[in-house]
Amino acid sequence: AQSVSQHNHHVILSEAASLELGCNYSYGGTVNLFWYVQYPGQHLQLLLKYFSGDPLVKGIKGFEAEFIKSKFSFNLRKPSVQWSDTAEYFCAVIPTGRRALTFGSGTRLQVQP
Amino acid sequence: EPEVTQTPSHQVTQMGQEVILRCVPISNHLYFYWYRQILGQKVEFLVSFYNNEISEKSEIFDDQFSVERPDGSNFTLKIRSTKLEDSAMYFCATGTSGEEQFFGPGTRLTVL
Repeated sequence: AQSVSQHNHHVILSEAASLELGCNYSYGGTVNLFWYVQYPGQHLQLLLKYFSGDPLVKGIKGFEAEFIKSKFSFNLRKPSVQWSDTAEYFCAVIPTGRRALTFGSGTRLQVQP
Repeated sequence: EPEVTQTPSHQVTQMGQEVILRCVPISNHLYFYWYRQILGQKVEFLVSFYNNEISEKSEIFDDQFSVERPDGSNFTLKIRSTKLEDSAMYFCATGTSGEEQFFGPGTRLTVL
């Protein structure tokens, strides 16, 4: 069965700092990869996704992620965070052709003004 | 922008009681899912539903659970005899394809 690891559980940054959140997965076949964000009091929202093609994908609000197949990684990045980016971030994978998202444990990002 | 909605937002029940959690999908969505998140743990897949039948389910989704679309619009999760360990946040998700899933706000289930 596949699994997803997010190594940073809680990250605190100042505004304008750069962000990188790690995500690694374990699965032997091809996968689709996702980052979801949950702002305080809101539901899970899709930030970006990777199915195939260019391994560098851009999402909403200036976020991007890079799929490195050899490292089974899909790290999330943003060059300059804002206070409004304070949220919990979840990496998730689906093996190609399946339906069940497997989530990581989430990373709580706190951006201080 | 259309959203997935869920009712109730919070359900408190006694152990052994049956509960029904409801989800209203985005109107043109054909794929439906339930997930749960026990406090402090990961979001876990329960079941996916397409074309009026279960297409995939996890080990968690045992005989205690069932899903249906009773009126062609709502998508429900029934837990027949609740246990303390069923206390969790239950998320509905829907999609137009089997890949991208849009989540509702969740129902917090508390079993006493």
